[in-house]
Amino acid sequence: DAKTTQPTSMDCAEGRAANLPCNHSTISGNEYVYWYRQIHSQGPQYFIHGLKNNETNEMASLIITEDRKSSTLILPHATLRDTAVYYCIVRPNNNDMRFGAGTRLTVKP
Amino acid sequence: GAGVSQSPRYKVAKRGQDVALRCDPISGHVSLFWYQQALGQGPEFLTYFQNEAQLDKSGLPSDRFFAERPEGSVSTLKIQRTQQEDSAVYLCASRTSGVLYNEQFFGPGTRLTVL
Repeated sequence: DAKTTQPTSMDCAEGRAANLPCNHSTISGNEYVYWYRQIHSQGPQYFIHGLKNNETNEMASLIITEDRKSSTLILPHATLRDTAVYYCIVRPNNNDMRFGAGTRLTVKP
Repeated sequence: GAGVSQSPRYKVAKRGQDVALRCDPISGHVSLFWYQQALGQGPEFLTYFQNEAQLDKSGLPSDRFFAERPEGSVSTLKIQRTQQEDSAVYLCASRTSGVLYNEQFFGPGTRLTVL
């Protein structure tokens, strides 16, 4: 299974874009990039996923490099409620999720 | 509709006691997953069911851990002879079938404290 590397923590000012990087240099062709987030005292929540194209939903954008060895999750206008741990996971479809330690994002007023 | 629910939300056990943790998945969801989350760490996979069949139990840390889903809906995670290192949040997640991507819906978790 491909492993991911994320910064332990990041800060972002409220209203600014939060850019969360993830390295997954050993990703294989059938593996997707998933992002989940976990707000304090809650279970993780699916956020976004992609295979090789950039993806956007109502919450965020996912930018995947052409070689698929890294990706960036972008929260375009971070709010205080976006303070959470963000997990980047590389897995084939329909498998269990293998979470690492994630990035603890703190959005500051 | 209702999300994934877990009970109890909090459980305190004395070392050596047996505990049973319940998960009610979203109605109709075929797949069910159990994860263990230690303080300050990400969730760790324990086991996976598809309907009533336990297809993967490779993450169960010892034979003291046992999970079942006899009718393909509600699942129970049982821990026998609890030890202090079993203290963690136990998360349950479910997923429907026929989807093109792996969106798992998580419950709030059961926080187990073993004294």
